[in-house]
Amino acid sequence: NAGVTQTPKFRILKIGQSMTLQCTQDMNHNYMYWYRQDPGMGLKLIYYSVGAGITDKGEVPNGYNVSRSTTEDFPLRLELAAPSQTSVYFCASSSGAANMNEKLFFGSGTQLSVL
Amino acid sequence: KQEVTQIPAALSVPEGENLVLNCSFTDSAIYNLQWFRQDPGKGLTSLLLIQSSQREQTSGRLNASLDKSSGRSTLYIAASQPGDSATYLCAVGGAGSYQLTFGKGTKLSVIP
Repeated sequence: NAGVTQTPKFRILKIGQSMTLQCTQDMNHNYMYWYRQDPGMGLKLIYYSVGAGITDKGEVPNGYNVSRSTTEDFPLRLELAAPSQTSVYFCASSSGAANMNEKLFFGSGTQLSVL
Repeated sequence: KQEVTQIPAALSVPEGENLVLNCSFTDSAIYNLQWFRQDPGKGLTSLLLIQSSQREQTSGRLNASLDKSSGRSTLYIAASQPGDSATYLCAVGGAGSYQLTFGKGTKLSVIP
């Protein structure tokens, strides 16, 4: 069972570079989310999507962009990487809204360092 | 704004001990509370989900309780094992947003 798959697992970027974090799920979930986790901190929501073609900002969207062209894929784009974007990024999905009694399923994360 | 607190930040217990992890939240108007487990270098795994109308949920050696009025939840782990060593996070879902609000987690170490 693949579940939620994230690539790459590790990446080092130089300041000002751009990259896309890939996320795909095979559970036919409508809801998908991108979180970041800084050391010793709780997860913060970056962007979320309630279905193909529909995305919205979360708590910390600045410096990021997303798209949702298919149900399965929800890539996260970093433009002009900054040291403040050094973090572990998690993609998650759920069949319904996470705040409405639906379990979240997480990918294994991408550890990103911006130097 | 909802805030979720987990105390202690770290806990070390000998194998076989029963233990309780605590989670508190500031806004009692929640739809649900979830407990997650996170292993080093891995994503989060959902352990238990308690709906706002429920008082507790059980799965194997795990039991989670919810007291909305006091803004508290506990995760009880019976007969702890070294394999239970991980970080445990709680998260609450409320009105007005699709997102969950996460605590910072409790890092549990079970010593053989």
